[in-house]
Amino acid sequence: NAGVMQNPRHLVRRRGQEARLRCSPMKGHSHVYWYRQLPEEGLKFMVYLQKENIIDESGMPKERFSAEFPKEGPSILRIQQVVRGDSAAYFCASSPQDREGPYEQYFGPGTRLTVT
Amino acid sequence: GQNIDQPTEMTATEGAIVQINCTYQTSGFNGLFWYQQHAGEAPTFLSYNVLDGLEEKGRFSSFLSRSKGYSYLLLKELQMKDSASYLCAFPRGQNFVFGPGTRLSVLP
Repeated sequence: NAGVMQNPRHLVRRRGQEARLRCSPMKGHSHVYWYRQLPEEGLKFMVYLQKENIIDESGMPKERFSAEFPKEGPSILRIQQVVRGDSAAYFCASSPQDREGPYEQYFGPGTRLTVT
Repeated sequence: GQNIDQPTEMTATEGAIVQINCTYQTSGFNGLFWYQQHAGEAPTFLSYNVLDGLEEKGRFSSFLSRSKGYSYLLLKELQMKDSASYLCAFPRGQNFVFGPGTRLSVLP
């Protein structure tokens, strides 16, 4: 059973370019979460999605950032017009559906974005 | 508000015991998680406490006191591979609030 997959693992973009980060959840999981981890800092929640729905985007910057989780294919976190401050590790996590209460989230290996 | 506090760094010797503390503030408490994160890697689940007391799992144990808003992770018989960051987190709705993490260095 493959774990959470993210690609690319490393991404370099120049200021002003767009970054697209992909996440495929574990088999059987339909809940996807994106987190950002700045150097020497903790994980910060960005957005929570289910298939074709954004459930909670309270941690997402209002501009330049968007996320989707289509019916088919991976979840995508898109950053437009990247700036140096966007350089960070972006982690995706998934969890199974239809469970009440808290549950373990399984993390992918992360995408390390470097903006030059 | 919702807040988590952990020491930034700790150092211990191989074979020793170390306790990593976590204090938190949240409304609607629904359990506390501990994750391990090696440098450059993804966090991996270690433990989950929802009731007061100590939960033991091999060399790792986790303790919770809900009335004090306090948890700790206890690592016994430290090994070099235990050098990592340890994150405590609590659920907020459907997502997690993570602490800043404690970076543990195990020395020979």
